[in-house]
Amino acid sequence: DSGVTQTPKHLITATGQRVTLRCSPRSGDLSVYWYQQSLDQGLQFLIQYYNGEERAKGNILERFSAQQFPDLHSELNLSSLELGDSALYFCASSVPGRGSTDTQYFGPGTRLTVL
Amino acid sequence: GQNIDQPTEMTATEGAIVQINCTYQTSGFNGLFWYQQHAGEAPTFLSYNVLDGLEEKGRFSSFLSRSKGYSYLLLKELQMKDSASYLCAVRPRSGAGSYQLTFGKGTKLSVIP
Repeated sequence: DSGVTQTPKHLITATGQRVTLRCSPRSGDLSVYWYQQSLDQGLQFLIQYYNGEERAKGNILERFSAQQFPDLHSELNLSSLELGDSALYFCASSVPGRGSTDTQYFGPGTRLTVL
Repeated sequence: GQNIDQPTEMTATEGAIVQINCTYQTSGFNGLFWYQQHAGEAPTFLSYNVLDGLEEKGRFSSFLSRSKGYSYLLLKELQMKDSASYLCAVRPRSGAGSYQLTFGKGTKLSVIP
């Protein structure tokens, strides 16, 4: 158990719908990262938040957005869902800073199925 | 940009040693990570290298050569539970506070009796 929690574990929805995935980082971790993993692709970095602020953006679609709240939990919002959005979505957290290896620890993931 | 290459699949025998290679090309380098991922589960951290050389951790060791853009993960005394995907990930040198990782597609290791 990495200490990172994600809900829900599974999500089944229809095309065109909107969903929210939730992540709680390990105690003390300030950074949260979101990744997408589909069958034919590796882990793709989506976005990073640090202490409530966006720090880096990767291959995140405009239909997707995220935020990190004052209690450091994060939510990833996916809208106008398409079949191709079906994937495993992972959240990871770390403690970045000087002297830290900033190892990212991953949550159990949310499996999203769009029908 | 970044490009990371790993073999897609490997098979090895229980009790043997296997080496999984990773080559990378990045615009900057600030560390290389290895993760293990069982099917449908979260990646779990195995090792971290930022300087050239070998890091040993029990049955697992990881090597890095920055000049060659090359790393390997060495698994000794293979066990059936080591059957999993092994992901190589590079952290490029980037702006302050940004520590995103770029992952290879992973090497699926099958351990056979």
